[in-house]
Amino acid sequence: GAGVSQTPSNKVTEKGKYVELRCDPISGHTALYWYRQSLGQGPEFLIYFQGTGAADDSGLPNDRFFAVRPEGSVSTLKIQRTERGDSAVYLCASSLSGGLSYNEQFFGPGTRLTVL
Amino acid sequence: QQQVKQSPQSLIVQKGGISIINCAYENTAFDYFPWYQQFPGKGPALLIAIRPDVSEKKEGRFTISFNKSAKQFSLHIMDSQPGDSATYFCAAKIYNFNKFYFGSGTKLNVKP
Repeated sequence: GAGVSQTPSNKVTEKGKYVELRCDPISGHTALYWYRQSLGQGPEFLIYFQGTGAADDSGLPNDRFFAVRPEGSVSTLKIQRTERGDSAVYLCASSLSGGLSYNEQFFGPGTRLTVL
Repeated sequence: QQQVKQSPQSLIVQKGGISIINCAYENTAFDYFPWYQQFPGKGPALLIAIRPDVSEKKEGRFTISFNKSAKQFSLHIMDSQPGDSATYFCAAKIYNFNKFYFGSGTKLNVKP
């Protein structure tokens, strides 16, 4: 079946602009995660959704970052007033469920964001 | 503060050799330790994982060794192949939480 998909694959924007990054999880996966991966680093947790609600948003760096998952499937990561330091690959992952389980996270290919 | 420290940053191994990547952690609440493999332009993919109630887990050529008292765990790739050339990340998670902490990665190059 289809894996996690992310669009766009690449996004170039100018400093100060607003961007939206989309994640389509694997069908039936209730848990969804966003990570940020800077060059040469491991993924850094941003936010976790269980269903429609953000169960843990402790990794969002500041209030310019926001994510939604209104119907419990597709999620959008929104970044306002982008800064050059936001340039990174943004990864989305989904799993059957979160919480007490250890279900495998399946990662998408990521969106490479470049802020000029 | 890096919750999971990974070394080495890069590793070159001859085909057929053993690749060893190490990770250390401080938080004793971690109870799940996965390893991920990432190829360029792709997202990480789960390779193998261990929980602290066992000291070793083996799946094919990949083995995790876990030392609870030392708060260290390592990935061993036996009979390393050029197709294993990728970046490897260790990670850790606390029971009942969904925040995964990743190491900084090890870029493995297996020479033919």
